[in-house]
Amino acid sequence: DIQMTQSPSSLSASVGDRVTITCRASQSISSYFNWYQHKPGRAPKLLIYAASSLQSGVPSRFSGSGSGTDFTLTISSLQPEDFASYYCQQTYTTPWTFGQGTKVEI
Amino acid sequence: QVQLQESGPGLVKPSQTLSLTCTVSGGSISSGDYYWSWIRQHPGKGLEWIGYIYYSGTTFFNPSLKSRVTISVDTSKNQFSLKLSSVTAADTAVYYCARDRVGSGIRSFDIWGQGTMVTVSS
Repeated sequence: DIQMTQSPSSLSASVGDRVTITCRASQSISSYFNWYQHKPGRAPKLLIYAASSLQSGVPSRFSGSGSGTDFTLTISSLQPEDFASYYCQQTYTTPWTFGQGTKVEI
Repeated sequence: QVQLQESGPGLVKPSQTLSLTCTVSGGSISSGDYYWSWIRQHPGKGLEWIGYIYYSGTTFFNPSLKSRVTISVDTSKNQFSLKLSSVTAADTAVYYCARDRVGSGIRSFDIWGQGTMVTVSS
């Protein structure tokens, strides 16, 4: 299986901060890569697909970059509603696998 | 808009079979543009993809669970279902269903259900 390693596992930030989360794949996955936001008790939400494409309805402060093995999710100006956990995922080869998550806290 | 909702028992005894159903509303499960997946999250842990089904009945499973998993589809009810046999406490998790789409040639889960907690305990 392809292992996805996120860093950091958690971070503390303030409203207005620029936040960057990274994810590394154990082998090259081209751009077969997605980012999700998850709040407790809520359905996970697709933010970024194909490494850098913004999902419809997602605010433009979210952006993704990377290809191959190294990927980044950036929140340009953190908003109160962005405090959540974020997961990366590869869909290059089955089984689809996720990172362990990054919790963004106040 | 399309919504997914999981349903099923919240408590299952060890060695029994976990059975969950995902009801799709606001769209047809028979749309050829999508697959339909099950994912789970163990308490305090990350997400684990279980498997997917296409409306035609074609399935693909995570090898780690393949021997115990069945996923089926009922297009007349716009539902798909998960069965996981011989459960143990390690199968205690929140179970999600999700729409699995291909965008820009890349698979992603663009719509998820709220999730349902299943506890395996006697």
